[in-house]
Amino acid sequence: GAVVSQHPSWVICKSGTSVKIECRSLDFQATTMFWYRQFPKQSLMLMATSNEGSKATYEQGVEKDKFLINHASLTLSTLTVTSAHPEDSSFYICSARESGAGTDTQYFGPGTRLTVL
Amino acid sequence: GENVEQHPSTLSVQEGDSAVIKCTYSDSASNYFPWYKQELGKRPQLIIDIRSNVGEKKDQRIAVTLNKTAKHFSLHITETQPEDSAVYFCAARPGFSGNTPLVFGKGTRLSVIA
Repeated sequence: GAVVSQHPSWVICKSGTSVKIECRSLDFQATTMFWYRQFPKQSLMLMATSNEGSKATYEQGVEKDKFLINHASLTLSTLTVTSAHPEDSSFYICSARESGAGTDTQYFGPGTRLTVL
Repeated sequence: GENVEQHPSTLSVQEGDSAVIKCTYSDSASNYFPWYKQELGKRPQLIIDIRSNVGEKKDQRIAVTLNKTAKHFSLHITETQPEDSAVYFCAARPGFSGNTPLVFGKGTRLSVIA
């Protein structure tokens, strides 16, 4: 099946630094990828829809200048948490759907656990 | 927008018994309903999905039913095993585009007691 990878799997950083998370579709192309945030024992909260070659679409309440998304190729989307603060600590997960495959299935990456000190 | 409600939030069953998780959705235009299983610290894994032109789908011990009129769908797990213990999320996709994001329920924590 389709595989989505994320890097890094976990990161610890100091408050005020920026952190970049990569999401890759390894064996398929994805014109659209999705970024989610998950707090402990809670559901997946959609942050933004990442579109290859165009600007991301952010959900209400998600600061686009805080969470920078770049989808420069059909297999890579990046999420940069700028000037991270402790409240940004969370589990960030991306998902992707294979473009043009006639399938609805969205595959999730393994997630990145961000801890901001 | 679409709103997905999921019940119960926690569910404990004895090994071998059946488990049923129910979800309702609000947008009648939603046409794709996947179920994901998430183990602690891991990614959500698709376990079964159903489209709006189908009323029921089964895959071994797992089945999903969809009632479009009532706008609800359910996950049924039979002959539960300890490895079925996890958090299960239902989701709905409003609209026909595959690029429309899924809307998730809040999850059900299933515990299968050996």
